[in-house]
Amino acid sequence: EAGVAQSPRYKIIEKRQSVAFWCNPISGHATLYWYQQILGQGPKLLIQFQNNGVVDDSQLPKDRFSAERLKGVDSTLKIQPAKLEDSAVYLCASRTNEKLFFGSGTQLSVL
Amino acid sequence: ILNVEQSPQSLHVQEGDSTNFTCSFPSSNFYALHWYRWETAKSPEALFVMTLNGDEKKKGRISATLNTKEGYSYLYIKGSQPEDSATYLCAFQSGNQFYFGTGTSLTVIP
Repeated sequence: EAGVAQSPRYKIIEKRQSVAFWCNPISGHATLYWYQQILGQGPKLLIQFQNNGVVDDSQLPKDRFSAERLKGVDSTLKIQPAKLEDSAVYLCASRTNEKLFFGSGTQLSVL
Repeated sequence: ILNVEQSPQSLHVQEGDSTNFTCSFPSSNFYALHWYRWETAKSPEALFVMTLNGDEKKKGRISATLNTKEGYSYLYIKGSQPEDSATYLCAFQSGNQFYFGTGTSLTVIP
């Protein structure tokens, strides 16, 4: 079974630039999550999709972050413009009834 | 936002030592408790999903227990090996939401 695919693995940008991350979940997984993990903290939910609909985006900083999941499969997460405090690992996960399956994450450094 | 705490934050042990970590979580609105193992540059990997008070699960040298009434779970590693070096994350599931602890970083010294 193919896992959750994420790209890129690493990204270095300057503050005020834009960046986008891509996620392809496991085939058939309807629920998709984007998490932000800042160094020294646990993963924090940014947004949850059920198919192509948003279930929870209460912690997404909507002035600069956006996400979409067209056709209920792939998802993209965008930051525009980036701030220094956005430096983190961005994890995508999809879910069976029982557990989460994670991608390997994108490590973002904002300089 | 629910508070999930893990301790210790980091741990260094000698190869062959046994060790354990703690995950504390709210005792209300509990659905499941998850343990993940996250090696550097890899994806977090699910170790256990525990749902019932008193659950004990085992996978090789790693085992976990669950107490939902008092809100804690222990993860045990028996006879630690260098390949066990990783960050161990717990996640409290309430409904469809997952709340993660900050993780315990384990380093096993050969």
